[in-house]
Amino acid sequence: EPEVTQTPSHQVTQMGQEVILRCVPISNHLYFYWYRQILGQKVEFLVSFYNNEISEKSEIFDDQFSVERPDGSNFTLKIRSTKLEDSAMYFCASSAPDQDRNTIYFGEGSWLTVV
Amino acid sequence: GQSLEQPSEVTAVEGAIVQINCTYQTSGFYGLSWYQQHDGGAPTFLSYNALDGLEETGRFSSFLSRSDSYGYLLLQELQMKDSASYFCAVRDPNGGATNKLIFGTGTLLAVQP
Repeated sequence: EPEVTQTPSHQVTQMGQEVILRCVPISNHLYFYWYRQILGQKVEFLVSFYNNEISEKSEIFDDQFSVERPDGSNFTLKIRSTKLEDSAMYFCASSAPDQDRNTIYFGEGSWLTVV
Repeated sequence: GQSLEQPSEVTAVEGAIVQINCTYQTSGFYGLSWYQQHDGGAPTFLSYNALDGLEETGRFSSFLSRSDSYGYLLLQELQMKDSASYFCAVRDPNGGATNKLIFGTGTLLAVQP
């Protein structure tokens, strides 16, 4: 069964450093997302991406965050200057067009620890 | 804004039936989804209700009442492997072309032998 894959599974970084989290969405999907989950809390929406541009972003997704789909298969989330409060599990997700739009498929996540 | 409320924890024994409730307040509504998450892993889709009533998928069923802004997930013949967090979610009506989901607070289900 097709799946969303994410790398790295776990990254430790120093405060102020740049981090890039990578994702390969399911191949025929057109909508891509990043969500995050702080330990023990609910899954929070960060950003959605469609047709090579951001469709919507939350208030969490400030100027320190950016997304890119550089080559038609990868979908990346960059945090320019990490803060302690960025420590969380970051989930990439994708969904198919139209009839399956109410189901999104998540990757296993990238656990980011900022120290 | 959108909000979805769930009980924080539920405990049940193997073989039993458990119901996890979700009440929501949204400015628009496209349906209620349920996701399962084991130990902080990938949330996985369980079910979706667009219309009122019960949807059954094996041991899991999901119910929706749009007039009450309420739904529940029913798990039957509980197994130890059902111990996980369960999230209800709605599609944000302001999410544009994409399927931006707003998740509930999550319910941690503990199945005991």
